[in-house]
Amino acid sequence: AQSVSQHNHHVILSEAASLELGCNYSYGGTVNLFWYVQYPGQHLQLLLKYFSGDPLVKGIKGFEAEFIKSKFSFNLRKPSVQWSDTAEYFCAVMLGGGNTPLVFGKGTRLSVIA
Amino acid sequence: DSGVTQTPKHLITATGQRVTLRCSPRSGDLSVYWYQQSLDQGLQFLIQYYNGEERAKGNILERFSAQQFPDLHSELNLSSLELGDSALYFCASGGLGVGTEAFFGQGTRLTVV
Repeated sequence: AQSVSQHNHHVILSEAASLELGCNYSYGGTVNLFWYVQYPGQHLQLLLKYFSGDPLVKGIKGFEAEFIKSKFSFNLRKPSVQWSDTAEYFCAVMLGGGNTPLVFGKGTRLSVIA
Repeated sequence: DSGVTQTPKHLITATGQRVTLRCSPRSGDLSVYWYQQSLDQGLQFLIQYYNGEERAKGNILERFSAQQFPDLHSELNLSSLELGDSALYFCASGGLGVGTEAFFGQGTRLTVV
């Protein structure tokens, strides 16, 4: 079965530190890749997505992610985190050409401290 | 605001009972997805409906069922509830095509006591 692995369960960073959250998926076919964020008490919101073209994609709030096909990875990065980035981050894969369910990783909780 | 509306926001019920969760998708979206989020299992896909028809099934228990109505809203029915069914239930809607993301509702927090 297809799966998505997020390597870090909980990450604690100081403000202005750089962030990289790992995500690997297990599926050999065409995939669309997503990062969603869930702020405390809120619904999931899309940060960024990749489906074709430039493997380095930029999203909202200064986030970016790089798709490395050979490594089946889609890591999320931000050069300088802020306290307001405290949230849970989910990597997700949509298989095939679209209109199929997202398969989520278990999430990484990010805590940013002043 | 994602445009996806879920009701109710919170639900507390007793074991053995049956509840119905409701979802209205974004205007124009034909697909509705249901997910269950719990601390130990993370976000688990339950079921997808597309334009009234079941399209994909995930880890949905036999005690659970769903449907999508002609106006495209969807209901998730959970019956013979157990303590372990306590979770956050999310509905998402999406369109067609490559790269189309899913938009999530605020969720319904179900507590079974």
